[in-house]
Amino acid sequence: AQSVTQLGSHVSVSEGALVLLRCNYSSSVPPYLFWYVQYPNQGLQLLLKYTSAATLVKGINGFEAEFKKSETSFHLTKPSAHMSDAAEYFCAVIGNFGNEKLTFGTGTRLTIIP
Amino acid sequence: EAGVVQSPRYKIIEKKQPVAFWCNPISGHNTLYWYRQNLGQGPELLIRYENEEAVDDSQLPKDRFSAERLKGVDSTLKIQPAELGDSAVYLCASSLDRLNTEAFFGQGTRLTVV
Repeated sequence: AQSVTQLGSHVSVSEGALVLLRCNYSSSVPPYLFWYVQYPNQGLQLLLKYTSAATLVKGINGFEAEFKKSETSFHLTKPSAHMSDAAEYFCAVIGNFGNEKLTFGTGTRLTIIP
Repeated sequence: EAGVVQSPRYKIIEKKQPVAFWCNPISGHNTLYWYRQNLGQGPELLIRYENEEAVDDSQLPKDRFSAERLKGVDSTLKIQPAELGDSAVYLCASSLDRLNTEAFFGQGTRLTVV
């Protein structure tokens, strides 16, 4: 079975600073990996996804993530934080080849300090 | 194109009462998910449909929860009777099919059981 672990339930960064949200995965098959963002009282919106093509994935709103098989990681980064980035971020994994259950991490709440 | 539509957005009921949530997925999406999201947690899968067939309901508490997806389009999730611990946000999501990796989420139904 596949799973993801998000390190840090709360992360605070200053406006304009680097954003780094950590995600490590565990999967018995080559995984597909995702980052979703959730704003207050909203559903989840896909930021980006890795589906075994390029290991550096660019998403919306200036976010990107790098798949590192050797570290079983898929960390989310953004060079310069904006106030509008304040939200909850979820890493998720889905196993391919017949194991398509989408499994989420526990989330990281990102706070932007003015 | 309309996204995933859920209703109601909010529901407050007394314990032991029944409650139902409705989901209309994106047109043409064969795969439909129901997730439960507890406060401060990531979404947890309750049930996944491929067309009208429930292919993964291992996490659905079958003693009080039921779901249906008639004609492989709209879906209803029911709780009867509701317990205090059922208070959560119930999210519906859909994707084109089981091999398509991007799931689109509705805004969710926030259930409060008092």
